[in-house]
Amino acid sequence: GESVGLHLPTLSVQEGDNSIINCAYSNSASDYFIWYKQESGKGPQFIIDIRSNMDKRQGQRVTVLLNKTVKHLSLQIAATQPGDSAVYFCAESGYNAGNMLTFGGGTRLMVKP
Amino acid sequence: NAGVTQTPKFRILKIGQSMTLQCAQDMNHNYMYWYRQDPGMGLKLIYYSVGAGITDKGEVPNGYNVSRSTTEDFPLRLELAAPSQTSVYFCASSYSTLSGNTIYFGEGSWLTVV
Repeated sequence: GESVGLHLPTLSVQEGDNSIINCAYSNSASDYFIWYKQESGKGPQFIIDIRSNMDKRQGQRVTVLLNKTVKHLSLQIAATQPGDSAVYFCAESGYNAGNMLTFGGGTRLMVKP
Repeated sequence: NAGVTQTPKFRILKIGQSMTLQCAQDMNHNYMYWYRQDPGMGLKLIYYSVGAGITDKGEVPNGYNVSRSTTEDFPLRLELAAPSQTSVYFCASSYSTLSGNTIYFGEGSWLTVV
């Protein structure tokens, strides 16, 4: 079936560096994408979203890029901080799936001081 | 701001026992969901509801039941607990909208079946 997946299960970065977390999706009909952050022992927290009519969206220290041609999504975190250490999930949804979110497997981001 | 509230936080069940995970949201959201998350894995949808009185199966509904008698509450019932149901369960809610469907999650319920 359609799925959302991630290229790297674990990403280790130095504090202050920029982080890039990647995600591939296979459902070409998906029109809404979300990045979630999940800290240990907690539920996923919304970070940023993007609709399929956009290529880029910026938030505070975070940027999401969407490449519909190759069905690729990325999350960029600027000046990574220890508090950014968590598991990051991408998720996608589309009207043809009843707007239900499909989650990828997650990438663990580890920030080294 | 309460948001999505789940209880209990932790529970140990014996094989064959039954229990209900409670979920309540105070955001007047129409959509509610139950997900399970196995160690190191993403979230899988168990059941969802688009409004009071309406429930639908998700990706992994076997062994579970739900009800939605009110907009606020969406309990998840395990009738005959099995070791395969050892997992972390997340309840979530969202507005019903075609323009996006940002989902807000509860803090999770850790369930162990022994």
